[in-house]
Order: sequence, then C-alpha cells, then structure tokens
Amino acid sequence: DSGVTQTPKHLITATGQRVTLRCSPRSGDLSVYWYQQSLDQGLQFLIQYYNGEERAKGNILERFSAQQFPDLHSELNLSSLELGDSALYFCASSVEQSGTQYFGPGTRLLVL
Amino acid sequence: AQSVTQLDSQVPVFEEAPVELRCNYSSSVSVYLFWYVQYPNQGLQLLLKYLSGSTLVKGINGFEAEFNKSQTSFHLRKPSVHISDTAEYFCAVRPPGANNLFFGTGTRLTVIP
Repeated sequence: DSGVTQTPKHLITATGQRVTLRCSPRSGDLSVYWYQQSLDQGLQFLIQYYNGEERAKGNILERFSAQQFPDLHSELNLSSLELGDSALYFCASSVEQSGTQYFGPGTRLLVL
Repeated sequence: AQSVTQLDSQVPVFEEAPVELRCNYSSSVSVYLFWYVQYPNQGLQLLLKYLSGSTLVKGINGFEAEFNKSQTSFHLRKPSVHISDTAEYFCAVRPPGANNLFFGTGTRLTVIP
C-alpha cells in the first residue's frame, strides 16, 4: 500500500458524459501527478500540481482538467467522453516538486 | 524528446531461474532512473531507483539494477525468480529539469512453475 488513495476504483459511463476522478496523496506529499494508461498509448503523463498550483502539463486533452485543493487532494475532470478515453488513470504523489513518485491503485474508466 | 525502450514485451522464465529485463533510454545528459512493477489489477509499485552514486542499485523483493551511462541502459535483474514475481515491469526516466516520468512500454514477466 503506497498510501495514495483513488476513488472510484471502477467507472462505467457513456460517450459525451463527464466524470470526476479523485486522488488523495500520501500524508505530507505536496505534489500530485496524473497519468493515463491505455493499451495503445502506454503510460502517459497528463498533469502535475504542487501545493495547489499547476506545475507541469503533458499530453492532456483540452476536454480534461484537474485541480488540487487546499487539503492537497486532487480531482481530474474528464468531459465529453469518447470511447478512446477508456483507460486506467493513475494518480501519484511526491514530497517535493520532482521527488520520487508513489502511485495509487488507479481508476479504471470504461466509456461505452 | 525523452524515450525509454524496453525491447522485450514478454519474458517467460522458469521458477528459480535468473532473469534480466532490459531498459535503454535516450539522453545525452544524466537522468534519474526507476523501475516499477504492476501486479495484475493493481497500481504501480516502486521497485528501485537510481539518482546518483553507486551504479548498482538494490531494490525490494531481491531485484537489482545496474546503471550503465556509456550504454544508456538500466537493466533489471533477479538471480532467482518466484511465481509471485509474475507481473508487468516498467522502466521510467526523469530527465533533469522535468518533474514527470517517461515510461517504457513495459515487459510482462511470466514465471513458469
């Protein structure tokens, strides 16, 4: 158990819908990262927040957004969902802006 | 752009045999290197990391990896595997100045009884 929690574990929704994935970092970690794992793209970095502020952006679609709240938990919002958004979404956390990252168990999203 | 190559997508090996999972990265500057393991239906667990210092890094579950700067490699090894080592293994790099990780495509290790 890494100490990073993610909810929900599984999510099934329809195309065009909007979902929110939640992540709670390890106690004391200020940085949160979001990654997407899909069969065709592999593991790809989406976005990073550090102490409430966006720090780095990767291959994140405009339909996706994230935020980090004062209690340091983070949410990833996915809207206008398409079939290709079906994937495993991981959250990771680290103490510093560029520290060793510890991953949560992931949220498996299925878009039908 | 940073890239990580895991040449072997699948590696079958008999129980108690040694194994090496290969990882090469493209970078002319020093990077930080990591190996993560993903057991079926679970998240990524950190096996080991190289940040600096000794090029031979020991991790959890009896795994070790050797950083070779001239060959830009960071191969993962275990002298004797167990059934419980069956999982997907990911090599990752973090270039200097970057906060995120770049992952390889993964190697599925299957330990055969």
